[in-house]
Amino acid sequence: DGGITQSPKYLFRKEGQNVTLSCEQNLNHDAMYWYRQDPGQGLRLIYYSQIVNDFQKGDIAEGYSVSREKKESFPLTVTSAQKNPTAFYLCASSRALPGQKNEQFFGPGTRLTVL
Amino acid sequence: GQQVMQIPQYQHVQEGEDFTTYCNSSTTLSNIQWYKQRPGGHPVFLIQLVKSGEVKKQKRLTFQFGEAKKNSSLHITATQTTDVGTYFCAPGAHNYGQNFVFGPGTRLSVLP
Repeated sequence: DGGITQSPKYLFRKEGQNVTLSCEQNLNHDAMYWYRQDPGQGLRLIYYSQIVNDFQKGDIAEGYSVSREKKESFPLTVTSAQKNPTAFYLCASSRALPGQKNEQFFGPGTRLTVL
Repeated sequence: GQQVMQIPQYQHVQEGEDFTTYCNSSTTLSNIQWYKQRPGGHPVFLIQLVKSGEVKKQKRLTFQFGEAKKNSSLHITATQTTDVGTYFCAPGAHNYGQNFVFGPGTRLSVLP
């Protein structure tokens, strides 16, 4: 099956700890994205990557870091510098070239709770 | 940066009533996408509109792109309980077309 997976589905961490959220896709998409969603709110872009070994900050990148060493994988690290990390984290992927239909395919998300 | 508004923020309808949500941008768009997120789920792509004045239909859903390519609407005819969720628009920036700025969404509740 082609798709995008995120793990774990639920994650709990203690304040002051870094945590890494996994995102893998087998859709052969060049572009990948991380969004944060707070309860009852919209999606806010954290980071995006349009090609391997390159990524750009989104609107709320502070306290987060990413890597894009492989086309299929775009892990997100929530660092202890992120002041309010409890949220629903969504990863997505899409084709990247201008003019293409670049609909985003979303993973099931990871709900992070900081205790 | 790009600003996008969606109205209304919430809508409660009786099953069988119609529903419309509007998406308005401060800048001219290259395209616009619509997504639906069911409660507890993840956003799912519905459609992309590209041409000025474009109208597309998917069963009971009708999508429109404004003539000036600054606004769009989603209309649902005779809502059903399966329509419950939050509808987001995602405008594509004119100079590139990538869609990663999402509107705040309209949350639809359908009472049986």
